[in-house]
Amino acid sequence: GAGVSQSPSNKVTEKGKDVELRCDPISGHTALYWYRQSLGQGLEFLIYFQGNSAPDKSGLPSDRFSAERTGGSVSTLTIQRTQQEDSAVYLCASSEWGDPRRQPQHFGDGTRLSIL
Amino acid sequence: AQTVTQSQPEMSVQEAETVTLSCTYDTSESDYYLFWYKQPPSRQMILVIRQEAYKQQNATENRFSVNFQKAAKSFSLKISDSQLGDAAMYFCAYRSLWENNAGNMLTFGGGTRLMVKP
Repeated sequence: GAGVSQSPSNKVTEKGKDVELRCDPISGHTALYWYRQSLGQGLEFLIYFQGNSAPDKSGLPSDRFSAERTGGSVSTLTIQRTQQEDSAVYLCASSEWGDPRRQPQHFGDGTRLSIL
Repeated sequence: AQTVTQSQPEMSVQEAETVTLSCTYDTSESDYYLFWYKQPPSRQMILVIRQEAYKQQNATENRFSVNFQKAAKSFSLKISDSQLGDAAMYFCAYRSLWENNAGNMLTFGGGTRLMVKP
């Protein structure tokens, strides 16, 4: 079956521009996570969605970052007024309904964002 | 907050040999999950193996096994009979089992790049 799909695969943009990154989770998965992976680093949690509940935004690094999830499925991560330190790979993961502590997270291939 | 540390930025192993990747973590919790993920150049995170902290028996998955030392908060990954396809970044990750925010997200170490020599 289809896995987690992310688009675009790569994005290059100028400093100060806004960007939108998309994540299409596995069908039926209600939990969705965004992570950021800076060059040579591990993954850093950004935001979490579960069904129609209010998202947990505790990992967002600044108010330039926001995310939404329409209809409990596709999610969009938006970065406004991009800065060079935003350059990273942005990974999305989803998991099934049930105890979120016990459901494995399935990852997409990520979007590599490069800010010039 | 939990932290995960991987002290080996890079490791290399000869094909068919065995290699061990180190991971230590810090937590005040008594029950949790630990994971090893593999990230090839395709960037996708692939789950290699997972361990529940309350289980004393070390997890194994074919050529992959772990040495879980709960008291020492150590969780190393052993890859036996290394293959060229094992070359990748390997990440150790922690997941709390307690109800908290963020859906019990994963906390990752900085990664170890494994190179396999033919």
